[in-house]
Amino acid sequence: EAQVTQNPRYLITVTGKKLTVTCSQNMNHEYMSWYRQDPGLGLRQIYYSMNVEVTDKGDVPEGYKVSRKEKRNFPLILESPSPNQTSLYFCASSLGQLNTEAFFGQGTRLTVV
Amino acid sequence: AQKITQTQPGMFVQEKEAVTLDCTYDTSDQSYGLFWYKQPSSGEMIFLIYQGSYDEQNATEGRYSLNFQKARKSANLVISASQLGDSAMYFCAMRPIIQGAQKLVFGQGTRLTINP
Repeated sequence: EAQVTQNPRYLITVTGKKLTVTCSQNMNHEYMSWYRQDPGLGLRQIYYSMNVEVTDKGDVPEGYKVSRKEKRNFPLILESPSPNQTSLYFCASSLGQLNTEAFFGQGTRLTVV
Repeated sequence: AQKITQTQPGMFVQEKEAVTLDCTYDTSDQSYGLFWYKQPSSGEMIFLIYQGSYDEQNATEGRYSLNFQKARKSANLVISASQLGDSAMYFCAMRPIIQGAQKLVFGQGTRLTINP
């Protein structure tokens, strides 16, 4: 089954404790992105990657890091989480054809206390 | 900069009625794609329908259709014969059709509730 898999689904952590949210896709997609969803703001892009070792900032990259060492994986790293990073996070992947839809992971609900 | 506006924070509709969810956009790009996604209470994002800016016909997918009015920069989602399972948050999104542009710009969303 074609899918994007994120882990964990839910995470409660404390301020300053480094964490990684994993994302993996099995569709051989070149493009992968991370979004955060906040009430009243919709989804906003954090980082994206066009291929292995090629990443770039989205609209809200502060406080986040990413890496793309393999085509299938695109982890999101919070080196020192803060309460304002409490949000619902989505990983997405898509083909190189730009008129095709993005496939989203199940989401990761992160709470930073 | 691109912007998507969904002016209906919430909508309540009787089951079996048709419903229109509004979406207006702002872009200076000549080529772009418009998408609608559904987010049920379980949280996942489900792709519903796509419309390209140069598509002459409105897109349709089963009970979903996209009322695309390019001059007015609107891309409203129409759901015919609504069902209880249509209750969800709906997001309109846009992406420019240029190489390397992989950002989807989302609206704020509309929460649709279908009443029995």
